[in-house]
Amino acid sequence: DAGVTQSPTHLIKTRGQQVTLRCSPISGHKSVSWYQQVLGQGPQFIFQYYEKEERGRGNFPDRFSARQFPNYSSELNVNALLLGDSALYLCASSLVQAATELFFGEGSRLTVL
Amino acid sequence: AQSVTQLDSQVPVFEEAPVELRCNYSSSVSVYLFWYVQYPNQGLQLLLKYLSGSTLVKGINGFEAEFNKSQTSFHLRKPSVHISDTAEYFCAVSGGSNYKLTFGKGTLLTVNP
Repeated sequence: DAGVTQSPTHLIKTRGQQVTLRCSPISGHKSVSWYQQVLGQGPQFIFQYYEKEERGRGNFPDRFSARQFPNYSSELNVNALLLGDSALYLCASSLVQAATELFFGEGSRLTVL
Repeated sequence: AQSVTQLDSQVPVFEEAPVELRCNYSSSVSVYLFWYVQYPNQGLQLLLKYLSGSTLVKGINGFEAEFNKSQTSFHLRKPSVHISDTAEYFCAVSGGSNYKLTFGKGTLLTVNP
């Protein structure tokens, strides 16, 4: 069975640009969460979507947005990129809303120049 | 709100030696506790979790952890490590708003021959 898949795996953008990251959860999983992992730090929670509704949001500016589609895949959008947005963006899926067993993808490495 | 402190940023050990990675948490509510492992250029994989019940939790790859409520700790142990255990290990907590995980900064375990 396929795990959580994310695309693209690597990308380079310049300041002020916009980026869209994509995530396909494990089949049957209805929850998708997004985390940002800055180099040398632990992952930090950005969003959770469950049954296509936003259920939680971390302490991130409004430049960050996300959505979940009817097939439960998800997109994370970041506008007006800053150098500090350079990070590994991780998507995690789970069967239920509670974060009792998250399955992570390998992430999208974003570099902002 | 919850927080996690991983007391060691780096732990070097020799192959077949025992290891303990330390984690302390703070929370005003009951918590769920997790250990994740991240190999280079990969996402996070769940090693073990404490949700309720026995305070000694066994996970994959021979790892175990003990939940100590009075000391607010959840230390990870392995009696004999292998070269392949070299990775970054993250302790995480979920509580109250249990749709998200709060991670520590990670401990880099390096197993030397």
